[in-house]
Amino acid sequence: EPEVTQTPSHQVTQMGQEVILRCVPISNHLYFYWYRQILGQKVEFLVSFYNNEISEKSEIFDDQFSVERPDGSNFTLKIRSTKLEDSAMYFCASSESSNQPQHFGDGTRLSIL
Amino acid sequence: AQSVSQHNHHVILSEAASLELGCNYSYGGTVNLFWYVQYPGQHLQLLLKYFSGDPLVKGIKGFEAEFIKSKFSFNLRKPSVQWSDTAEYFCAVSGHMNNNAGNMLTFGGGTRLMVKP
Repeated sequence: EPEVTQTPSHQVTQMGQEVILRCVPISNHLYFYWYRQILGQKVEFLVSFYNNEISEKSEIFDDQFSVERPDGSNFTLKIRSTKLEDSAMYFCASSESSNQPQHFGDGTRLSIL
Repeated sequence: AQSVSQHNHHVILSEAASLELGCNYSYGGTVNLFWYVQYPGQHLQLLLKYFSGDPLVKGIKGFEAEFIKSKFSFNLRKPSVQWSDTAEYFCAVSGHMNNNAGNMLTFGGGTRLMVKP
């Protein structure tokens, strides 16, 4: 069964540094998402992406965040200047259409020191 | 704004016991409802979904859930759990969209289920 893959599995970064989290969605999927889960809290929606543009974003997704689909397969989340509170598990997901279930990757654990 | 609440944070059962995990949601429109499961060390996997039609939906591994619109609930059930059902279970809701916008999921806080052999 096709899967969403995320790299790296764990990223440790100094506060203030830029970090890029990478995702390869399922190949025939058209909708892409990022979620995060701070330790002990709920999984929270960050952003959705369709047709090469952001279709929806949450309050969390402020100017320090950006997403990009640089080629036909990758979908990246960039955090420009990381803060301690950005430490979380970041999940990528994709779906065939807006009303189809989302398939999740294993997540990237981001630790900001 | 939509929200999802799961009443049980931790559940411990013995094998063969019956399971019911509660999920209530708040949303001002037509909803899609989901249960996801996360086994230790693995990614979120879809257990079952409700979009429309029969409010009793059956998923993988013997799980089922019932959508009760009047109660804004979508409880997950399994008649007889196994040790391999030990995992964290997440209820989620999205709006039923008819456009090309992405469809964000709102998750509940999760329920950790431990099944004792």
